[in-house]
Amino acid sequence: EDKVVQSPLSLVVHEGDTVTLNCSYEVTNFRSLLWYKQEKKAPTFLFMLTSSGIEKKSGRLSSILDKKELSSILNITATQTGDSAIYLCAVPAGGTSYGKLTFGQGTILTVHP
Amino acid sequence: NAGVTQTPKFQVLKTGQSMTLQCAQDMNHEYMSWYRQDPGMGLRLIHYSVGAGITDQGEVPNGYNVSRSTTEDFPLRLLSAAPSQTSVYFCASSPPHSGGYTFGSGTRLTVV
Repeated sequence: EDKVVQSPLSLVVHEGDTVTLNCSYEVTNFRSLLWYKQEKKAPTFLFMLTSSGIEKKSGRLSSILDKKELSSILNITATQTGDSAIYLCAVPAGGTSYGKLTFGQGTILTVHP
Repeated sequence: NAGVTQTPKFQVLKTGQSMTLQCAQDMNHEYMSWYRQDPGMGLRLIHYSVGAGITDQGEVPNGYNVSRSTTEDFPLRLLSAAPSQTSVYFCASSPPHSGGYTFGSGTRLTVV
């Protein structure tokens, strides 16, 4: 059974801090790892990582995959209150297609002014 | 472009009632999925579809049915509502082999 575990489950920081969120996975025939951000309502897609050691960046957010360690990290630098959200990682099940995703529990990030 | 539209946004059911949560997308996406979200448990897959006429079970399918007669629509039916089905339900769609799902705004369901 595929498994995705995120840590920490919650994190409280102040504006300007840098945070690192972790995601580890166990999946048959790994294909890729996905990061989503969920604010008030629907999750929105951030990154897809397929290759180990290649960093994906979008503004102050960056993510990297470590296939050897079966994990990924999401970094947010110079945090802002607008970064407060639930961050979710997911993997496609069984490496067969992206029709079936397994999500982690999510990390709740709270950024105080 | 509406994206993924879910209706209703809120619903209260009595135990034993049945209902259908509607999901429609206008992006011609082949893949569609239903998730439920409970506190501390992330998103759990209920059912998914990789194309019209094709559906399969996810992690937590019991008590739910789906069908996919068109590319656009993917309704989720609760057969006999139970308090354990109190949750927020999300529908999502994606092009094939993408992983970049677009989510609807969710349906908050309470079963009393």
